[in-house]
Amino acid sequence: DVKVTQSSRYLVKRTGEKVFLECVQDMDHENMFWYRQDPGLGLRLIYFSYDVKMKEKGDIPEGYSVSREKKERFSLILESASTNQTSMYLCASSPPGFTEAFFGQGTRLTVV
Amino acid sequence: KQEVTQIPAALSVPEGENLVLNCSFTDSAIYNLQWFRQDPGKGLTSLLLIQSSQREQTSGRLNASLDKSSGRSTLYIAASQPGDSATYLCAVKGGSSNTGKLIFGQGTTLQVKP
Repeated sequence: DVKVTQSSRYLVKRTGEKVFLECVQDMDHENMFWYRQDPGLGLRLIYFSYDVKMKEKGDIPEGYSVSREKKERFSLILESASTNQTSMYLCASSPPGFTEAFFGQGTRLTVV
Repeated sequence: KQEVTQIPAALSVPEGENLVLNCSFTDSAIYNLQWFRQDPGKGLTSLLLIQSSQREQTSGRLNASLDKSSGRSTLYIAASQPGDSATYLCAVKGGSSNTGKLIFGQGTTLQVKP
């Protein structure tokens, strides 16, 4: 089975902290994605990466950055956490082409 | 800009009923459409993937159809069970075939009552 693993299920951080969310996939997928999910707004794409060291902005990249140093790992970085970044964060991966996307279990981040 | 809509937002049915969830999208230039299930506080589980050239896909009690020209997909659940209670999301893949991002609907929250 494809496995996408997010490092934490729940995180509580303070305003202004630098926060790292980690995602690892074990299927050698080229594409990886970070979404956030909020009630009433649905899932929105923050960043995605189609290869090591490659990244592209999604719909809501402001306040976030990403890092992909190895193919299997895609990190989302909140440079200075703010309360409006309290959300459910979901990582996904997929091979190139017309294929399925697979999601991790999600990280519920609360910024206080 | 592609927009995906799911109606209804919530649905409550008695156990055993057959039901249909709807998904519509505004731009027919999609590569595929994927249905997901999400349990409260959890990630997304892929249910079915339909390529743009396909009309339907089946897995067990689930059947998904796609009418690209009219911008519609349906997810049919046969003989519903309480364990089917969850939020169901549809997502379309557009843009580049290699890196195309998924655009999601808001989901339909299904409750199946015993």
